[in-house]
Order: sequence, then structure tokens, then C-alpha cells
Amino acid sequence: DAKTTQPPSMDCAEGRAANLPCNHSTISGNEYVYWYRQIHSQGPQYIIHGLKNNETNEMASLIITEDRKSSTLILPHATLRDTAVYYCIVRGNYGGATNKLIFGTGTLLAVQP
Amino acid sequence: DAGVTQSPTHLIKTRGQQVTLRCSPKSGHDTVSWYQQALGQGPQFIFQYYEEEERQRGNFPDRFSGHQFPNYSSELNVNALLLGDSALYLCASSRLRASTGELFFGEGSRLTVL
Repeated sequence: DAKTTQPPSMDCAEGRAANLPCNHSTISGNEYVYWYRQIHSQGPQYIIHGLKNNETNEMASLIITEDRKSSTLILPHATLRDTAVYYCIVRGNYGGATNKLIFGTGTLLAVQP
Repeated sequence: DAGVTQSPTHLIKTRGQQVTLRCSPKSGHDTVSWYQQALGQGPQFIFQYYEEEERQRGNFPDRFSGHQFPNYSSELNVNALLLGDSALYLCASSRLRASTGELFFGEGSRLTVL
């Protein structure tokens, strides 16, 4: 699975959009980009994933560049409860059989009031 | 619908002891994975169980072993505990045939080794 690079920390004002970048320059054609987040003292929570098209769900939007070497997770209206460590993970989507996740150290997003 | 449940939530052991952690997967899930998360680090994959067999294993010594029961619940056992085994142990469940590959995590068991 390809390696990802994320900034260690970011700040965002409450109510503003939070844009979290991720570089994955060695991603291969069959690998997906997954985002999870971990609020303090809780287990990681799935946010969104995508292959090459932009994706949106009730939590966030995922923008993947055309060359797929980087992506951005967008939280459109950040709240204090979005303060968490956000992990960008690249892996093949083989279903449950080989669905281990390789976590880096992620980005600590601090939403400020 | 209960999510992934883990027990105990916190425990303290001394070096050389053995520990057993337990996990009940989300309803409808048949695959269980275990992760170790040291303070300030991302979770590290230990192993994955499906159909009561270990299917994948990360870079962890044989002191770490597991089991999956017919009802899909799972145990993680760690023998001869070391100070460095102090961590949050996370269980994650999924469905083997799920199209998204999404994992659902429990809240974890925090192990302190003194």
C-alpha cells in the first residue's frame, strides 16, 4: 500500500471550511484513498473514501487530483466536535479479505471557537 | 444496533503477566482485526481473523495471539508482558464481502504495564 504524507497539525475557525491535504505520490491504479478520524480517547471513525472521482457524503467531501497523487478532505462547516486526528490512508479495495489499514501519524485538526 | 464492543476498557498489569482482551463485532460482521496504538502514534495492525482463522498478521511477535469464536467474537492474548506493550488496543470489524471495505472500530482497551 502506498505511503501518505500529511501535515502534523492544522487550525480552523469554527463555522469555516477545514481543508486537510494528503500527498500519496506513489499510489497505484487500483488503490483507493480512505479518510478516518479519531477523536480523543475514541476509536477511529470512517469518514469517506474514493478512487478517482470526487466524493461527498453527509460528513465531508473528498477531492482527488486528476493524477491521483494528492487529495483534500473538506469539512464544509467545522464545529468544535470536529477536533480530532485525521488519517489519510491508501489501500487496495479488496473487500474485507485484505482490508488492513496502515495508519500514519495523521493531522491533528484543532477547531477554534 | 450495538457497534463494536470491547472489554475491559482499562486494565493494569505487571511485567511478565498475561492479558486477554475481548471484542464483539458489529452485528452482521464476520471479520475482526486488532490494532495496537501507542501514545501519540497511529494504530498499528496486529492481525485479522475470519472464519476462526488468522488470515493476516502484522509485524508483532508470537507473544501476541488471538482467537475467533463461532459467533464471530474475538480475543487478543498477550503473554510475557513488556513495558512497551502499554497501549490502546483497538478491535475493528467488517464484512468480508463488503464493497466499501469500511472498518468499524471499538473504543479500545487501554493496557498499562508496570
